[in-house]
Amino acid sequence: DIQVTQSPHSLSASAGDRVTITCQASHDIHNYVNWYQKRPGKAPKLLIYDASKLETGVPSRFSGSGSGTDFILTISSLQPEDVATYYCQQFDNLPYTFGQGTKLEIK
Amino acid sequence: QVQLVESGGGLVKPGESLRLSCVASGFSFSDYFMGWIRLAPGKGLEWVSYITSRSNTTYYAEFVQGRFTISRDNAKKSLYLQLNSLSVDDTAVYYCARVASNVRYWGQGTLVIVSS
Repeated sequence: DIQVTQSPHSLSASAGDRVTITCQASHDIHNYVNWYQKRPGKAPKLLIYDASKLETGVPSRFSGSGSGTDFILTISSLQPEDVATYYCQQFDNLPYTFGQGTKLEIK
Repeated sequence: QVQLVESGGGLVKPGESLRLSCVASGFSFSDYFMGWIRLAPGKGLEWVSYITSRSNTTYYAEFVQGRFTISRDNAKKSLYLQLNSLSVDDTAVYYCARVASNVRYWGQGTLVIVSS
C-alpha cells in the first residue's frame, strides 16, 4: 500500500490565521490526492479533490496544491467552524490510503 | 440525491459477530465499487474493505486477518460487512462509502463497540 504522511499531527491557531497542512507520499502520485474534513459526530466531508479542485459548496478559504510527492491544504482565514480533523488521501493505487490526520483547534 | 444508510452496529463481547448493512439510493449502485472505512477512537480513517461493482474482487486491510467478509446485492442496492471474531480493537464507527477516485459520499456511520 502507498504510504501518505501528514504533518503536523495537531495544530492550534487563532481565528483569521492562515493554516497549512502537508501531506507527503512515499512515491510520485501525480495529483492523485484528496482532502477531507472530519468533525465530531459527522461523516467525513470531501473538501478538495485531484489535489487542487474545490468540492462544490466548500468555502473558498480552503485550497489545495502540490503534485508528485508533496501536497498542501491551506485555510486562508481560519474560522471557528473549521475545528476538525483533516485527512489527505491518495488515489494513485487501491486501497486509497489516508494520512494519519491533523487535528486543528482554535486558540 | 445520493444516500447511504448503514445499520447493524451495536455492543458485543470479544469473539462475537455482527453484520453491518448499507442501503444505497440516488445512484446506479451496480456501477460503483463500494467499501467500508472505519474510525476508531484515537485513530485515523482506515480502509476496512472494498468490493468491485460485480463482486469480482475484494480487498481487506491487513488487520482483518480473515475475520470479516464484504458482500453486496446489486438488486437490493445493498452492501454488507460480516464481522466475526471481533476484538476490542475493532471498536469504531464504520462508514459505508461509494468508492471512486474520491469518497464524495459517505453514510452516517454505525457504531460497533466490542467490550466484555
